Amino acid sequence: GESVGLHLPTLSVQEGDNSIINCAYSNSASDYFIWYKQESGKGPQFIIDIRSNMDKRQGQRVTVLLNKTVKHLSLQIAATQPGDSAVYFCAENAGGYQKVTFGTGTKLQVIP
Amino acid sequence: GAVVSQHPSRVICKSGTSVKIECRSLDFQATTMFWYRQFPKQSLMLMATSNEGSKATYEQGVEKDKFLINHASLTLSTLTVTSAHPEDSSFYICSAPGLRYNEQFFGPGTRLTVL
Repeated sequence: GESVGLHLPTLSVQEGDNSIINCAYSNSASDYFIWYKQESGKGPQFIIDIRSNMDKRQGQRVTVLLNKTVKHLSLQIAATQPGDSAVYFCAENAGGYQKVTFGTGTKLQVIP
Repeated sequence: GAVVSQHPSRVICKSGTSVKIECRSLDFQATTMFWYRQFPKQSLMLMATSNEGSKATYEQGVEKDKFLINHASLTLSTLTVTSAHPEDSSFYICSAPGLRYNEQFFGPGTRLTVL
């Protein structure tokens, strides 16, 4: 099934704190996962990706964790900044060429 | 980095009219492009895969006669919303694959409002 939401969960974080955004994916056959950031009125922007043969990947200030056992993905943002305020989507690919399914987004609000 | 543009960024039209949205890859070629629709506070839903030189592939539930897709060249795909109605009002986003595995570059989106 598709993990498409009808509402948008919100996470409020104090500036400078770490943020953790969670995502439950639906397809156990998915082998590639991506986190996107979408600012208001704009298209999604790539943040970080991870393949299913990994359980952790780090980027600049961001870390993605993958738990295939429970089909859970998380995005950790260190030292959250006001510019991180946006909606974050996880996306999964189950093998179709470049074809990804977007999960329910989470709105991150950074409190100055 | 690779850039995908969309035109127009916003369009308001009357019910019953048709609207064309363009998606261009500015500095790279794309034999495939993807069209998504996003309703307020919801996720992106893939509508169709646009293929240069052949017919588009539509996702289940998407009316191909309603949403006409033409991939005219290696840098341009167009989505035409025919006989638009208020329920077609949405944010339409296109993307084009990059060279890396599963890399996609998204356009800035087009806000369609049908009165």
